[in-house]
Amino acid sequence: DIQMTQSPSSLSASVGDRVTITCRASQSISIYLNWYQQKPGKAPKLLIYVASSLQSGVPSRFSGSGSGTDFTLTISSLQPEDFATYYCQQSYNSPRTFGPGTKVDIK
Amino acid sequence: EVQLVESGGGLVQPGGSLRLSCAVSGFTFSSYEMNWVRQAPGKGLEWISYISSSFNTIYYADSVKGRFTISRDNAKNSLYLQMNSLRAEDTAVYYCARDDFSRRVFDYWGQGTLVTVSS
Repeated sequence: DIQMTQSPSSLSASVGDRVTITCRASQSISIYLNWYQQKPGKAPKLLIYVASSLQSGVPSRFSGSGSGTDFTLTISSLQPEDFATYYCQQSYNSPRTFGPGTKVDIK
Repeated sequence: EVQLVESGGGLVQPGGSLRLSCAVSGFTFSSYEMNWVRQAPGKGLEWISYISSSFNTIYYADSVKGRFTISRDNAKNSLYLQMNSLRAEDTAVYYCARDDFSRRVFDYWGQGTLVTVSS
């Protein structure tokens, strides 16, 4: 199975900050990397797919990049509603493993 | 509007069984692959099972293989997860998720149902 890691595991940031989260795969997954946002008590929500494509309805302050084994999710200007946990997921093969998550909270 | 609604969770003793259901609406269920994903309290997301639209491909995570069975009824627009030989470590919120295979994403999720395995 492909193992996914994320860094940092948590971060504190302020509204308006630029935030970058990194995801790394244990082997090359081409561009098959998705990002999800999860708020407490809620289901995950798809943000980004195939590394850099923005899901419909997701604000343009979210962006993704990367290929191979290294990927990033960037929030260009953090908004109050963005405080949440973010998960990467590889969709290169089954099982579609998730990263351990990065919790973004208020500084 | 796409909707996925899980049900069937609850408290069960170790070694017991439970059957989860996921009722869907707002899309052509028979055209989509489906998944179950779980989340233990305070932990991350764990994919546990996949079923193809035509039933002919099924996958399980090693953690549930041999104990859980995924199935679907396209006539009833429903997905199921039969869980046997439950263990304390199976305690989690269980989500069903639609698989948009063309984009390789889980694009719609249910609200989740909590399964607690405890004596």
